[in-house]
Amino acid sequence: QKEVEQNSGPLSVPEGAIASLNCTYSDRGSQSFFWYRQYSGKSPELIMSIYSNGDKEDGRFTAQLNKASQYVSLLIRDSQPSDSATYLCAVKSSGGSNYKLTFGKGTLLTVNP
Amino acid sequence: DTAVSQTPKYLVTQMGNDKSIKCEQNLGHDTMYWYKQDSKKFLKIMFSYNNKELIINETVPNRFSPKSPDKAHLNLHINSLELGDSAVYFCASSQGPPGGQPQHFGDGTRLSIL
Repeated sequence: QKEVEQNSGPLSVPEGAIASLNCTYSDRGSQSFFWYRQYSGKSPELIMSIYSNGDKEDGRFTAQLNKASQYVSLLIRDSQPSDSATYLCAVKSSGGSNYKLTFGKGTLLTVNP
Repeated sequence: DTAVSQTPKYLVTQMGNDKSIKCEQNLGHDTMYWYKQDSKKFLKIMFSYNNKELIINETVPNRFSPKSPDKAHLNLHINSLELGDSAVYFCASSQGPPGGQPQHFGDGTRLSIL
């Protein structure tokens, strides 16, 4: 069973701080990694995708990937109350015809004004 | 313009009934998916179609039957609904083969079984 693990939280940070969200995965051959944000009662919304080791920055968001350690993280700089949501890590499984995305259970982030 | 649209948005029905959920995408994507998100917010793949061909069929009761009349549509029919079927069902689509590209989600169908 290929797994994606996230700390369920809640993670609480003050406004303006850096929020750090972590995700580990079990399938060493995984190649594609995604972060989705889901507001309560809404659908998941793609924030970042990352495919190679290192950092990828997009505005206040930075995704970090370390395939050797099998972890991917999301940093949110200058956190805003509007960033309060559940963040889902998703990993594309490798091998054969198993093309599915496996989602973690999500980390609930609360940004306090 | 809505990229991935699902109908209905809410579905309240009694145990034992049969119901369908429809999904359409106007993104020109090749692949469509059905996910189930339970009360604990765990999002799990059910089915995936690529160009109308079933690619992924997870361990789902055979009461659930997907159908893709064309690559822009993926419907989900559920027979003999059970209490445990209560969840939010999301349709999604992506470009290219399943899994490798970002997926775009519909707004979800909230299914409640009485």
